[in-house]
Amino acid sequence: DAKTTQPPSMDCAEGRAANLPCNHSTISGNEYVYWYRQIHSQGPQYIIHGLKNNETNEMASLIITEDRKSSTLILPHATLRDTAVYYCIVRVRSSYKLIFGSGTRLLVRP
Amino acid sequence: DAEITQSPRHKITETGRQVTLACHQTWNHNNMFWYRQDLGHGLRLIHYSYGVQDTNKGEVSDGYSVSRSNTEDLPLTLESAASSQTSVYFCASSEAVAGADTQYFGPGTRLTVL
Repeated sequence: DAKTTQPPSMDCAEGRAANLPCNHSTISGNEYVYWYRQIHSQGPQYIIHGLKNNETNEMASLIITEDRKSSTLILPHATLRDTAVYYCIVRVRSSYKLIFGSGTRLLVRP
Repeated sequence: DAEITQSPRHKITETGRQVTLACHQTWNHNNMFWYRQDLGHGLRLIHYSYGVQDTNKGEVSDGYSVSRSNTEDLPLTLESAASSQTSVYFCASSEAVAGADTQYFGPGTRLTVL
């Protein structure tokens, strides 16, 4: 099962784009990349997922490199409410399980 | 609106007692999951179910059990609560779609075992 590597912490200024990187060099061809976030004390919140093409929704954009070994989650205009731990997850190929790593703690500064 | 709920939201119990945490979803999702989260750790999978009468062990299943008698509910039982099971517990559900699996999480139950 593919593992992910994320920086433990990042920060950005409010109103600026937040770019959160993730490495998943052992990802298999049929495994999806998921992003979740967890705001303090709350349940994880789904953000976006993708297979090989870039994806965008109302919350964020997901950029996946052509070789699929890394991806970047982009929050285009970060707000204070985006301060959270962001998890990059590769879906376990043989099941529907999601294995959470330690994530990136994003701090959005005023 | 469809949702996933957990009860109780907070629970204090004593070592050795049996405790059951409830999880209820109204999306009619086939898949349901239980995770625990401890300070300094990410979410760890306890048990999961792919449908009625189906249950499977996750990575930290010792001391926990689940049963799935209907689509909507997956209660988590601690047979004999231990202090090491003090944690925040999250339930999640997802639709069984091949390839992509988007899990939606409940608000969590904070359990303290004294």
